[in-house]
Amino acid sequence: DTEVTQTPKHLVMGMTNKKSLKCEQHMGHRAMYWYKQKAKKPPELMFVYSYEKLSINESVPSRFSPECPNSSLLNLHLHALQPEDSALYLCASSQEVSWAQYFGPGTRLLVL
Amino acid sequence: GDSVTQMEGPVTLSEEAFLTINCTYTATGYPSLFWYVQYPGEGLQLLLKATKADDKGSNKGFEATYRKETTSFHLEKGSVQVSDSAVYFCALSYGQAGTALIFGKGTTLSVSS
Repeated sequence: DTEVTQTPKHLVMGMTNKKSLKCEQHMGHRAMYWYKQKAKKPPELMFVYSYEKLSINESVPSRFSPECPNSSLLNLHLHALQPEDSALYLCASSQEVSWAQYFGPGTRLLVL
Repeated sequence: GDSVTQMEGPVTLSEEAFLTINCTYTATGYPSLFWYVQYPGEGLQLLLKATKADDKGSNKGFEATYRKETTSFHLEKGSVQVSDSAVYFCALSYGQAGTALIFGKGTTLSVSS
């Protein structure tokens, strides 16, 4: 089973809202990632968790707050987003940080 | 720094044509190399991978060989189908703790019947 699940599939939020994106994997992977992808562009790395600890933060604005409650779950808390934050948010996992990553289907976020 | 360069798209082919998408990389060490595919409206799927020089990755009729001498990892398929229409990303992972995937810009493939 190489499935990574993400919820919700679509999300529309205003600039004053607080929402969360969720990601789950049951492959026993120890590294999990958040990416942001704009149309017709490659994914841009946002955060990396390794063994439930944040190991990479690619200078992401504080309005994005990641959380890794356990080795299977990864959340991305959103607050006071801007319209330019509208994008596809992808979660991925891998056995270790440098190994092949498996992606979820993404959450398509629209900020109004 | 490390980087991946892919051929510019879009690539437009007729069904059953031969496909090549070029990918070259720059790395100071010995990375693992990957091809990912993204179908419209979906996330990325790992298509194939190679972890060392001369390795050949293959999946679903697609192949790519890790060529250290030419720093290349070109994707090939002998006979494309309409269902292969997607965006293809070449990527490398440098293999050090604390690093992650470095992607090329992506190549859009459009196959017509």
